[in-house]
Amino acid sequence: DAKTTQPNSMESNEEEPVHLPCNHSTISGTDYIHWYRQLPSQGPEYVIHGLTSNVNNRMASLAIAEDRKSSTLILHRATLRDAAVYYCILSQGAGSYQLTFGKGTKLSVIP
Amino acid sequence: GAGVSQSPSNKVTEKGKDVELRCDPISGHTALYWYRQSLGQGLEFLIYFQGNSAPDKSGLPSDRFSAERTGGSVSTLTIQRTQQEDSAVYLCASSLIPVWAGGSRDTGELFFGEGSRLTVL
Repeated sequence: DAKTTQPNSMESNEEEPVHLPCNHSTISGTDYIHWYRQLPSQGPEYVIHGLTSNVNNRMASLAIAEDRKSSTLILHRATLRDAAVYYCILSQGAGSYQLTFGKGTKLSVIP
Repeated sequence: GAGVSQSPSNKVTEKGKDVELRCDPISGHTALYWYRQSLGQGLEFLIYFQGNSAPDKSGLPSDRFSAERTGGSVSTLTIQRTQQEDSAVYLCASSLIPVWAGGSRDTGELFFGEGSRLTVL
């Protein structure tokens, strides 16, 4: 099964950009890359997803390496409300509807 | 409400008792998932429902766990003879289209409820 590796924790100053890395060296050619985040005492919420090309939405940008073995979630200006656990997730493989959440990266935002 | 609704939000029970957790997905969402999250851990997949298809039960940890989805909408997760290791937050999620793991189809996003916190004494 394709797995992801993320740092356990990161810190950022408020109003500065944040780059959250994710390694997925065993990704298969058809696996989507998903990012979710979980604020304290809440269920996870969708952030962004992509396959090969970089993606932008109102919340964040997703930069995917050319070989797809890594990706980076970019928050352009961190706010205190962005403090959360960020999960980088791959699919389990073709034919599966499962998303496997690891432990993610706990992002702290410093005022 | 517009989001995924779960009840109860908190449940404390004694070891050996049965519990039922309820999930109301977003109206029109065909896919429904149950996950659980133990303290300080990531999410563990339990079960997946898609329309009228047979559910994917591959994540259920034991035969004490079961789930059903009636009329393609509300789902109930039942834990029989609860054990202390069942203590966790049980999260339900729904999506308009399945989160597809491969192929050329685009994939849906999951909308999660706030969870049901289960404590087994």
